[in-house]
Amino acid sequence: DIAMTQSPDSLAVSLGERATINCKSSQNVLHSSNNKDYVAWYQQKPGQPPNLLISWASTRESGVPDRFSGSGSGTDFTLTISSLQAEDVAVYYCQQYYSTPYTFGQGTKLDIK
Amino acid sequence: QVQLQESGPGLVQPSETLSLTCIVSGGSISSHHWSWIRQTPGKGLEWIGYIDYNGGTNYNPTFKSRVTISRDTSKNQSSLKLSSVTATDTAVYYCARHGGDNWFDPWGQGTLVTVSS
Repeated sequence: DIAMTQSPDSLAVSLGERATINCKSSQNVLHSSNNKDYVAWYQQKPGQPPNLLISWASTRESGVPDRFSGSGSGTDFTLTISSLQAEDVAVYYCQQYYSTPYTFGQGTKLDIK
Repeated sequence: QVQLQESGPGLVQPSETLSLTCIVSGGSISSHHWSWIRQTPGKGLEWIGYIDYNGGTNYNPTFKSRVTISRDTSKNQSSLKLSSVTATDTAVYYCARHGGDNWFDPWGQGTLVTVSS
């Protein structure tokens, strides 16, 4: 199985500041056939299911604010929130869909400092 | 807009079978893959398995001996059965549609299942 490890486990950032969440996969998730990284990012607010933010490591879903961006390739990935807003308080998860069983990171809890 | 709604018993006895249903509205169960995923405080998000648009299945080896995912195209729903449950199967269970190349979007609201006598 491909393990996804996020860091940090929790993070507190001031409003308007940058938040950075890292995700490392135990195996390469870049597919040579299409040169795409098989990583997604989700946001989960209390009492709600996870909500897809980013696919293909860096493709923002429709309706997701452009302050959210994804980067990285191979085994190391980053979710960046460029200017933290109050509504961004949530737990964030990465997921690999390179191979089954699909696996998730343990989550990073983001709060306001 | 596709919506998913899980339903089933909130309490299951140890050693019995957990049975859940996911009703799909606004889309066809025959047009995508549909997964079951669970969430626990201890293990986080765990993918259980999926049923594909042809009715084929793919299960997480962790659950393979205990899980069955099926569908009823006439009711546009997917079902999850997990046998021989223990307290460690207590979780919020979600159904989700596969988008693109196997990310999950959207998800149902989830249903809490507690395994306890």
